[in-house]
Amino acid sequence: GENVEQHPSTLSVQEGDSAVIKCTYSDSASNYFPWYKQELGKRPQLIIDIRSNVGEKKDQRIAVTLNKTAKHFSLHITETQPEDSAVYFCAAGRGGNQGGKLIFGQGTELSVKP
Amino acid sequence: NAGVMQNPRHLVRRRGQEARLRCSPMKGHSHVYWYRQLPEEGLKFMVYLQKENIIDESGMPKERFSAEFPKEGPSILRIQQVVRGDSAAYFCASSLTGAWEKLFFGSGTQLSVL
Repeated sequence: GENVEQHPSTLSVQEGDSAVIKCTYSDSASNYFPWYKQELGKRPQLIIDIRSNVGEKKDQRIAVTLNKTAKHFSLHITETQPEDSAVYFCAAGRGGNQGGKLIFGQGTELSVKP
Repeated sequence: NAGVMQNPRHLVRRRGQEARLRCSPMKGHSHVYWYRQLPEEGLKFMVYLQKENIIDESGMPKERFSAEFPKEGPSILRIQQVVRGDSAAYFCASSLTGAWEKLFFGSGTQLSVL
């Protein structure tokens, strides 16, 4: 079945360092890849997304890259801050009229140490 | 997005009881998605509904679970004869058209089965 694998499961960095989280997906029809940040006990919040017609997208300290051939996509956070500490989830979907049906990765718990 | 309202925030049930979870989409939205999040796991798609129609229920367990989105009122996720394994956070999200739209989640309902 459709699957999204996410690594690492935990990531600890020093404040100011970069953090990279990687995902692979199995459904070759996937063409929409959002990333969500979830703080403890709260809702997942969309932080950035990318569609398959682009290879990279950046929003301030956050960037996402996509390699459709290899079915890989990654989240890059630069100049990390303690408030970046949270669980991050990648997801993949087919977009179009199935835009809301997403397959999520298992999550990465990011800890940014001051 | 604060516009997607879920209630209750916390729901405690004993084994064998029924659980009803409500989701009011953002104003004007007619597409609703339900996701389940088990402890320390990613979100799992359950069902996609439009007003008065179930579009995709491929993620719903075959028994005890049902969902509706009536013409008037909130979407309801109903779990009959709950078991401990149903304990999870249930999130809903809504969209205007169901196509190529960013998915924003409600605050979720934490179901605890004793």
